[in-house]
Amino acid sequence: DAGVTQSPTHLIKTRGQQVTLRCSPKSGHDTVSWYQQALGQGPQFIFQYYEEEERQRGNFPDRFSGHQFPNYSSELNVNALLLGDSALYLCASSLTATQETQYFGPGTRLLVL
Amino acid sequence: QQQVKQSPQSLIVQKGGISIINCAYENTAFDYFPWYQQFPGKGPALLIAIRPDVSEKKEGRFTISFNKSAKQFSLHIMDSQPGDSATYFCAASTGGSARQLTFGSGTQLTVLP
Repeated sequence: DAGVTQSPTHLIKTRGQQVTLRCSPKSGHDTVSWYQQALGQGPQFIFQYYEEEERQRGNFPDRFSGHQFPNYSSELNVNALLLGDSALYLCASSLTATQETQYFGPGTRLLVL
Repeated sequence: QQQVKQSPQSLIVQKGGISIINCAYENTAFDYFPWYQQFPGKGPALLIAIRPDVSEKKEGRFTISFNKSAKQFSLHIMDSQPGDSATYFCAASTGGSARQLTFGSGTQLTVLP
């Protein structure tokens, strides 16, 4: 049974560019949450997708947007990249939006130069 | 408030010793408290979790102690092993239509052989 998968594993972009990160949830899970983890810090909640809609959003600007597809996979898009967007971006999946347990993928390491 | 405060920032213990990591929270609406273990370059992995109606939960060498009145909870790792060397995060979430995890700042544990 595959766990949460994310692609790509690493990415290098320059300031002002746009980036798209991808996530496939654990089998049987229909909810995807995205987190940003800066170096040496705990993950911070960006948003959650369930039934192809954004259900809850953390304290992140509109430059961060997402999408969920009918097969429950998800994308995170970041526009107008800033140096401060350099971080590990984590995807987590859960059985449903109200399910307590979230399982994390390995993350995508984004470096903005 | 959504903040979860974690201490210590780093911890060094000898093999066979007990590792103790503490967390405190303010938001009394939190109703689920997981601990995650993260190795370098990997995503967080769920270790053990507790709900506030239970004061202690044990799984193998890992125990969560929960003090609802003090709004504190802690992770105890018994018989610590070098393979336990990792960063540990406490987290908390509230119920509702969607769950988001609020993480502590992490504790880097080193177990000396």
